[in-house]
Amino acid sequence: EDQVTQSPEALRLQEGESSSLNCSYTVSGLRGLFWYRQDPGKGPEFLFTLYSAGEEKEKERLKATLTKKESFLHITAPKPEDSATYLCAVQATTDSWGKLQFGAGTQVVVTP
Amino acid sequence: NAGVMQNPRHLVRRRGQEARLRCSPMKGHSHVYWYRQLPEEGLKFMVYLQKENIIDESGMPKERFSAEFPKEGPSILRIQQVVRGDSAAYFCASSPSGGVGELFFGEGSRLTVL
Repeated sequence: EDQVTQSPEALRLQEGESSSLNCSYTVSGLRGLFWYRQDPGKGPEFLFTLYSAGEEKEKERLKATLTKKESFLHITAPKPEDSATYLCAVQATTDSWGKLQFGAGTQVVVTP
Repeated sequence: NAGVMQNPRHLVRRRGQEARLRCSPMKGHSHVYWYRQLPEEGLKFMVYLQKENIIDESGMPKERFSAEFPKEGPSILRIQQVVRGDSAAYFCASSPSGGVGELFFGEGSRLTVL
């Protein structure tokens, strides 16, 4: 059965303290892996799509990487505005377009 | 450049009533997806629609739930005879085509069943 597991569940960082979030996945065939950011009371906001092992993408202080079994979201020198829940999702080759399987998320709090 | 519009943002219903949630996709988008986020749980896929067609409803509960995306107007997620367990945030997303890539999510509709 396809599965997406994110760790840790919650992460508290000091401003400037870099860290990584993990997303482990089990899927029959990976079409794409997605990272989203969700603020309280809001909808998920797209960050990255990764398609194959070894791929990396960067956006400001965020960098996403992908292996055959997991993905990491690295947050470099975070700022308080990076506080959010970060969601990982996979799309399987056996599923229809737009059917994403989400992990439970990692709640990140960055304190000044 | 309006994003995905959902309404109502908050809806309160008593057990047994009907709930209708509406979603207008981004301009130029013809693919709509509904997801549900139960308290303390992750987002779960419900249904994928194109104009006048249901493409994938594998995540829809078998009873009481239905969805449509008519030729004109917004997509509608309809929940009949609501129960307390239906209380959740319902998110709509859209995309310009059915390929892999970014889904644009709305702000969600939060349903509370008393």
